[in-house]
Amino acid sequence: QVQLQESGPGLVKPSETLSLTCSVSGGSINSDYWSWIRQPPGKGPELIGYIQESGRANYNPSLKSRVSMSVDTSQNHFSLRLTSVTASDTAVYYCAVYDGHNLDPWGQGTQVIVSS
Amino acid sequence: AIQVTQSPSSLSASVGDRVTITCRASQGIRTDLAWYQQKPGKAPKLLISDAVTIQGGVSSRFSGSGSGTDFTLIISSLQPEDFATYYCLQDHIFPWTFGQGTKVEVK
Repeated sequence: QVQLQESGPGLVKPSETLSLTCSVSGGSINSDYWSWIRQPPGKGPELIGYIQESGRANYNPSLKSRVSMSVDTSQNHFSLRLTSVTASDTAVYYCAVYDGHNLDPWGQGTQVIVSS
Repeated sequence: AIQVTQSPSSLSASVGDRVTITCRASQGIRTDLAWYQQKPGKAPKLLISDAVTIQGGVSSRFSGSGSGTDFTLIISSLQPEDFATYYCLQDHIFPWTFGQGTKVEVK
Protein backbone atom coordinates (compact mmCIF):
# COMPACT_ATOMS: atom_id res chain seq x y z
CA GLN A 1 0.00 0.00 0.00
CA VAL A 2 1.16 3.53 -0.68
CA GLN A 3 2.83 5.37 2.19
CA LEU A 4 2.86 9.11 2.75
CA GLN A 5 5.34 11.26 4.67
CA GLU A 6 5.01 14.96 5.40
CA SER A 7 8.03 17.23 5.73
CA GLY A 8 8.65 20.91 6.29
CA PRO A 9 9.46 23.52 8.92
CA GLY A 10 7.90 22.99 12.31
CA LEU A 11 7.94 26.69 13.16
CA VAL A 12 6.64 29.52 10.97
CA LYS A 13 6.46 33.20 11.86
CA PRO A 14 3.15 35.07 11.72
CA SER A 15 2.39 36.62 8.31
CA GLU A 16 4.84 34.28 6.60
CA THR A 17 4.15 31.32 4.33
CA LEU A 18 3.83 27.74 5.49
CA SER A 19 5.25 25.22 2.99
CA LEU A 20 4.97 21.46 3.34
CA THR A 21 5.72 18.52 1.09
CA CYS A 22 4.23 15.06 1.09
CA SER A 23 6.42 12.30 -0.29
CA VAL A 24 4.70 9.26 -1.73
CA SER A 25 6.31 5.82 -1.63
CA GLY A 26 5.11 2.35 -2.54
CA GLY A 27 3.18 3.72 -5.50
CA SER A 28 2.97 6.59 -7.93
CA ILE A 29 0.96 9.76 -7.88
CA ASN A 30 -1.99 8.92 -10.10
CA SER A 31 -5.47 10.17 -10.81
CA ASP A 32 -6.54 9.95 -7.18
CA TYR A 33 -7.07 13.01 -5.00
CA TRP A 34 -3.89 13.91 -3.09
CA SER A 35 -5.15 15.71 -0.03
CA TRP A 36 -4.08 17.90 2.85
CA ILE A 37 -5.87 17.91 6.20
CA ARG A 38 -5.00 19.78 9.36
CA GLN A 39 -5.95 19.30 12.99
CA PRO A 40 -5.60 22.18 15.47
CA PRO A 41 -4.73 21.24 19.05
CA GLY A 42 -7.65 19.55 20.76
CA LYS A 43 -9.94 19.86 17.75
CA GLY A 44 -11.20 17.71 14.94
CA PRO A 45 -9.57 17.45 11.52
CA GLU A 46 -10.29 19.99 8.78
CA LEU A 47 -9.87 19.35 5.07
CA ILE A 48 -7.62 21.90 3.37
CA GLY A 49 -8.07 20.56 -0.15
CA TYR A 50 -6.68 18.23 -2.75
CA ILE A 51 -4.70 18.19 -5.96
CA GLN A 52 -4.78 15.68 -8.77
CA GLU A 53 -2.02 14.38 -11.04
CA SER A 54 -3.16 16.80 -13.75
CA GLY A 55 -2.58 19.74 -11.43
CA ARG A 56 -6.28 20.34 -10.96
CA ALA A 57 -6.87 21.42 -7.37
CA ASN A 58 -9.87 22.04 -5.18
CA TYR A 59 -9.56 24.04 -1.98
CA ASN A 60 -11.77 24.39 1.06
CA PRO A 61 -13.55 27.74 0.64
CA SER A 62 -12.60 28.62 4.22
CA LEU A 63 -8.92 28.72 3.22
CA LYS A 64 -9.12 29.21 -0.54
CA SER A 65 -7.70 32.74 -0.59
CA ARG A 66 -4.49 31.61 1.13
CA VAL A 67 -3.92 28.08 -0.16
CA SER A 68 -2.13 26.67 -3.15
CA MET A 69 -1.06 23.14 -3.93
CA SER A 70 1.26 21.66 -6.50
CA VAL A 71 2.26 18.21 -7.64
CA ASP A 72 5.56 16.87 -8.96
CA THR A 73 5.04 13.46 -10.50
CA SER A 74 8.73 13.10 -11.39
CA GLN A 75 9.62 13.40 -7.71
CA ASN A 76 6.46 11.59 -6.59
CA HIS A 77 5.48 14.29 -4.16
CA PHE A 78 2.91 17.01 -3.74
CA SER A 79 3.06 20.25 -1.81
CA LEU A 80 1.04 22.74 0.20
CA ARG A 81 1.53 26.47 0.58
CA LEU A 82 -0.48 28.53 3.05
CA THR A 83 0.19 32.25 3.05
CA SER A 84 -0.20 34.95 5.70
CA VAL A 85 -0.31 32.50 8.57
CA THR A 86 -1.53 33.39 12.04
CA ALA A 87 -1.60 31.53 15.35
CA SER A 88 -4.88 29.92 14.31
CA ASP A 89 -2.97 28.01 11.62
CA THR A 90 -1.06 26.13 14.33
CA ALA A 91 -1.96 22.49 13.81
CA VAL A 92 -0.80 19.04 12.89
CA TYR A 93 -0.82 18.87 9.11
CA TYR A 94 -1.52 15.56 7.42
CA CYS A 95 -1.39 14.44 3.82
CA ALA A 96 -3.64 11.64 2.66
CA VAL A 97 -5.00 10.12 -0.51
CA TYR A 98 -8.66 9.87 -1.54
CA ASP A 99 -9.47 7.28 -4.19
CA GLY A 100 -13.05 8.35 -4.73
CA HIS A 101 -14.17 6.13 -1.90
CA ASN A 102 -11.83 6.37 1.06
CA LEU A 103 -9.58 9.06 2.49
CA ASP A 104 -6.87 6.60 3.35
CA PRO A 105 -4.00 6.15 3.97
CA TRP A 106 -2.72 9.19 5.85
CA GLY A 107 0.81 10.30 6.60
CA GLN A 108 1.94 10.37 10.22
CA GLY A 109 1.45 14.15 10.37
CA THR A 110 3.76 17.06 11.02
CA GLN A 111 3.32 19.65 13.76
CA VAL A 112 3.44 23.26 12.61
CA ILE A 113 3.54 26.06 15.16
CA VAL A 114 2.99 29.66 14.14
CA SER A 115 4.89 31.90 16.50
CA SER A 116 7.39 34.72 16.42
CA ALA B 1 -20.58 23.21 3.54
CA ILE B 2 -22.36 20.21 5.02
CA GLN B 3 -22.28 20.30 8.81
CA VAL B 4 -21.76 17.02 10.61
CA THR B 5 -22.86 16.95 14.22
CA GLN B 6 -21.36 14.15 16.27
CA SER B 7 -22.58 13.06 19.69
CA PRO B 8 -21.72 12.66 22.42
CA SER B 9 -18.52 14.70 22.55
CA SER B 10 -17.21 12.33 25.19
CA LEU B 11 -18.32 9.27 27.09
CA SER B 12 -17.04 7.12 29.90
CA ALA B 13 -17.29 3.37 29.54
CA SER B 14 -15.92 0.13 30.89
CA VAL B 15 -14.34 -2.81 29.12
CA GLY B 16 -17.12 -4.97 27.79
CA ASP B 17 -19.61 -2.15 27.41
CA ARG B 18 -21.58 -1.53 24.25
CA VAL B 19 -20.79 1.96 22.92
CA THR B 20 -22.88 3.96 20.47
CA ILE B 21 -21.72 7.12 18.69
CA THR B 22 -23.89 9.07 16.28
CA CYS B 23 -23.36 11.55 13.46
CA ARG B 24 -26.03 13.69 11.89
CA ALA B 25 -25.46 15.48 8.60
CA SER B 26 -27.10 18.82 7.84
CA GLN B 27 -28.41 17.41 4.57
CA GLY B 28 -28.73 13.99 3.00
CA ILE B 29 -25.44 12.35 2.13
CA ARG B 30 -26.66 8.90 1.06
CA THR B 31 -24.11 6.53 2.64
CA ASP B 32 -21.07 8.73 1.99
CA LEU B 33 -19.81 8.58 5.55
CA ALA B 34 -16.69 7.09 7.10
CA TRP B 35 -15.61 6.47 10.68
CA TYR B 36 -12.08 6.95 11.98
CA GLN B 37 -10.34 6.11 15.23
CA GLN B 38 -7.56 8.36 16.48
CA LYS B 39 -5.15 7.72 19.32
CA PRO B 40 -2.95 10.45 20.82
CA GLY B 41 -0.10 11.49 18.56
CA LYS B 42 -1.29 9.31 15.70
CA ALA B 43 -3.07 9.88 12.43
CA PRO B 44 -6.72 8.88 12.21
CA LYS B 45 -7.25 5.25 11.24
CA LEU B 46 -10.06 4.36 8.86
CA LEU B 47 -12.47 1.88 10.44
CA ILE B 48 -15.60 1.97 8.29
CA SER B 49 -16.38 3.45 4.88
CA ASP B 50 -19.63 3.93 2.98
CA ALA B 51 -21.39 3.96 6.36
CA VAL B 52 -21.28 0.19 6.78
CA THR B 53 -18.15 -1.32 5.15
CA ILE B 54 -15.63 -2.40 7.73
CA GLN B 55 -12.02 -2.13 6.61
CA GLY B 56 -9.68 -5.08 6.42
CA GLY B 57 -7.99 -5.84 9.71
CA VAL B 58 -10.57 -3.96 11.77
CA SER B 59 -12.27 -5.95 14.50
CA SER B 60 -15.82 -7.12 13.86
CA ARG B 61 -16.89 -5.58 17.17
CA PHE B 62 -17.04 -2.32 15.18
CA SER B 63 -20.11 -1.81 13.03
CA GLY B 64 -21.68 1.10 11.21
CA SER B 65 -25.18 1.84 10.05
CA GLY B 66 -27.30 4.61 8.62
CA SER B 67 -28.03 6.52 5.46
CA GLY B 68 -29.30 9.94 4.52
CA THR B 69 -28.65 12.14 7.53
CA ASP B 70 -28.31 9.83 10.53
CA PHE B 71 -25.44 7.43 11.14
CA THR B 72 -24.25 5.25 13.99
CA LEU B 73 -20.98 3.61 15.00
CA ILE B 74 -21.33 0.78 17.48
CA ILE B 75 -18.58 -0.92 19.42
CA SER B 76 -20.25 -4.11 20.60
CA SER B 77 -17.90 -4.95 23.46
CA LEU B 78 -15.37 -2.28 24.31
CA GLN B 79 -11.80 -3.49 24.58
CA PRO B 80 -8.82 -1.71 26.23
CA GLU B 81 -7.37 -0.77 22.84
CA ASP B 82 -10.61 0.96 21.84
CA PHE B 83 -10.17 3.90 24.22
CA ALA B 84 -9.58 6.67 21.69
CA THR B 85 -11.28 9.51 19.88
CA TYR B 86 -13.65 8.69 17.03
CA TYR B 87 -14.52 10.94 14.09
CA CYS B 88 -16.99 10.69 11.27
CA LEU B 89 -16.30 12.18 7.85
CA GLN B 90 -18.76 12.97 5.08
CA ASP B 91 -17.35 12.80 1.56
CA HIS B 92 -20.63 13.35 -0.26
CA ILE B 93 -20.00 16.98 -1.15
CA PHE B 94 -16.76 18.94 -1.19
CA PRO B 95 -15.46 20.25 1.14
CA TRP B 96 -15.54 16.92 2.97
CA THR B 97 -16.27 17.64 6.61
CA PHE B 98 -15.53 15.88 9.87
CA GLY B 99 -17.59 15.57 13.00
CA GLN B 100 -16.24 17.20 16.14
CA GLY B 101 -15.17 13.88 17.62
CA THR B 102 -16.18 11.57 20.45
CA LYS B 103 -13.61 10.78 23.10
CA VAL B 104 -14.15 7.35 24.65
CA GLU B 105 -12.64 7.33 28.13
CA VAL B 106 -12.22 4.80 30.89
CA LYS B 107 -15.03 4.84 33.42
